[in-house]
Amino acid sequence: EPEVTQTPSHQVTQMGQEVILRCVPISNHLYFYWYRQILGQKVEFLVSFYNNEISEKSEIFDDQFSVERPDGSNFTLKIRSTKLEDSAMYFCASSEARDGNQPQHFGDGTRLSIL
Amino acid sequence: GNSVTQMEGPVTLSEEAFLTINCTYTATGYPSLFWYVQYPGEGLQLLLKATKADDKGSNKGFEATYRKETTSFHLEKGSVQVSDSAVYFCALSDRSRGANNLFFGTGTRLTVIP
Repeated sequence: EPEVTQTPSHQVTQMGQEVILRCVPISNHLYFYWYRQILGQKVEFLVSFYNNEISEKSEIFDDQFSVERPDGSNFTLKIRSTKLEDSAMYFCASSEARDGNQPQHFGDGTRLSIL
Repeated sequence: GNSVTQMEGPVTLSEEAFLTINCTYTATGYPSLFWYVQYPGEGLQLLLKATKADDKGSNKGFEATYRKETTSFHLEKGSVQVSDSAVYFCALSDRSRGANNLFFGTGTRLTVIP
């Protein structure tokens, strides 16, 4: 069964550095998402992306964050200048469509640790 | 706004016991409801879903019924197995705004012991 793949599985970065998290969504999916889960807290929506532009973003997704689909397969989340509170598990997801009948498929996540 | 409240864990059960994990929601529109499961070291996997009132989602022996009158979507399984040990997340998406982002509960960790 097709899967969403995320790399790396664990990223350790110094505070203030830029980090790029990578995702390869399922090939025929059109909608892409990033979520994060701070240890012990809820999974929180960050951003959704469709047709090469952001379709929705949460208040967490401030100017430090950006997303890109640089080619036909990758979907990346960039954090420009990382802070300690960015330490979390980041999940990428994709779906065929935007309605509730088409579920989102998640990757295994990237654990981001900011030192 | 949109939010999901689910039963705090952890939950520990013996094999073949009955499982209930409670989930209630608030939504501004008419949501779709989901249960996702996260096995150790893995990502979130869709377990089951329901898109309208009184729908019952089911998969792998798990069931949940969309109850609009009580704004609930409780997860049940008649006889749990050790392999069901995982973290279970209740979630909703609010289609009325044309968006599909998911709102998750805090997750409930289930441990099944032989």
